[in-house]
Amino acid sequence: GQQVMQIPQYQHVQEGEDFTTYCNSSTTLSNIQWYKQRPGGHPVFLIQLVKSGEVKKQKRLTFQFGEAKKNSSLHITATQTTDVGTYFCAGWTGSQGNLIFGKGTKLSVKP
Amino acid sequence: DTEVTQTPKHLVMGMTNKKSLKCEQHMGHRAMYWYKQKAKKPPELMFVYSYEKLSINESVPSRFSPECPNSSLLNLHLHALQPEDSALYLCASSQDGGGGAGEQFFGPGTRLTVL
Repeated sequence: GQQVMQIPQYQHVQEGEDFTTYCNSSTTLSNIQWYKQRPGGHPVFLIQLVKSGEVKKQKRLTFQFGEAKKNSSLHITATQTTDVGTYFCAGWTGSQGNLIFGKGTKLSVKP
Repeated sequence: DTEVTQTPKHLVMGMTNKKSLKCEQHMGHRAMYWYKQKAKKPPELMFVYSYEKLSINESVPSRFSPECPNSSLLNLHLHALQPEDSALYLCASSQDGGGGAGEQFFGPGTRLTVL
């Protein structure tokens, strides 16, 4: 079946270091979305990428969608303790069905 | 109002109990979702309602019964659950007709414990 693989599963960084999480789909996607879930919280939408090769920035966060629309990445520059949480990518093939969530990357930031 | 609300926040029930989870949104969204999330796992889709009609049922056991009384409300009726059904139950909504075309707004969830 359709899968979205996400790595790494965990990432521990020192505050101020950069962080990147990667997603790879077995099939071409119509879009990919990114969500953040704080500890004890619920997923919160961050961004949606639709176009091949698209790059979007939100302050210290940079999101990329690959040229083949099968992979995506989220990069955080100079992490802060407020970045702690689990980051999920979720892809949609555009046909019937719902978003396919990656397993998430749990980010911890040491002050 | 840009939020999805869920009640109750916490629920403890026995295996013979009947209970219901409630979800509400007033954003005019046309699709509503139930997800189940276990610890350290991604949300797992259970049901999707599109324009108040059940459009996706991810082979969920019949002890979970969804209901969409109107475009703003979504219920999940629980009966004869098993301890392994203990999880965080998340409701979400989206403006599009369901699926993955647009942003999904998640509620805070109901933390369910089945004894």
